[in-house]
Amino acid sequence: SYELTQPPSVSVSPGQTARITCSGDGLPRQYGYWYQQKPGQAPLLLIYKDNKRPSGIPERFSGSRSGTIVTLTISGVQAEDEADYYCQSADSATNILVFGGGTKLTVL
Amino acid sequence: QAQLQESGPGLVKPSETLSLTCTVSGDSISSHCWSWVRQPPGKGLEWVGYICYSGSTNYNPSLKSRVTISVDTSRNNFSLRLSSVTAADTAVYYCARPAGDSSGYYFDHWGQGLLVTVSS
Repeated sequence: SYELTQPPSVSVSPGQTARITCSGDGLPRQYGYWYQQKPGQAPLLLIYKDNKRPSGIPERFSGSRSGTIVTLTISGVQAEDEADYYCQSADSATNILVFGGGTKLTVL
Repeated sequence: QAQLQESGPGLVKPSETLSLTCTVSGDSISSHCWSWVRQPPGKGLEWVGYICYSGSTNYNPSLKSRVTISVDTSRNNFSLRLSSVTAADTAVYYCARPAGDSSGYYFDHWGQGLLVTVSS
């Protein structure tokens, strides 16, 4: 089965840069997407098609890809960025959608 | 701007069928695909399946034998049925609208979520 792997946790101090990776064998053939989820809330789309930001998403959120790894970068982390972050992609052969296990970002 | 709202029972008995409905406003159910995503308490997101306006469906292989997603165009809503539930099906169930195309689907609109507990 197709899987996406994320680190369980990432910690950064305010103002620093946080990088959250997501790896999967199918990523070279399919786009990566990123969501932010705060406690008690529905997920919020942050990045689509590897590196595109929906309107209203701050510029400090950016996405990139290198081979089988997509990365979410948060520049100048703020306290309000403390949340769970999920990557998502699809199996190109079956169109099965898959989420990564999630990464908890802690702002120290 | 599409708005989605889940509804249904918050408590289901083991071995019974979970049935949820997602009502869509601000958009036509006939214009897009529609999906369910669930999240067990304290755990990550799990895609359940989607249905497109053409009637085609795609389900998570781990749930496929128990899941049915259907659309009611007259009421502008879509529904989830999950049979033979167990405690492992306890989760917040989100309805969501997939965007994108054959190059990839992602979720740009979400409902607020509905906690469904499986317990006798």
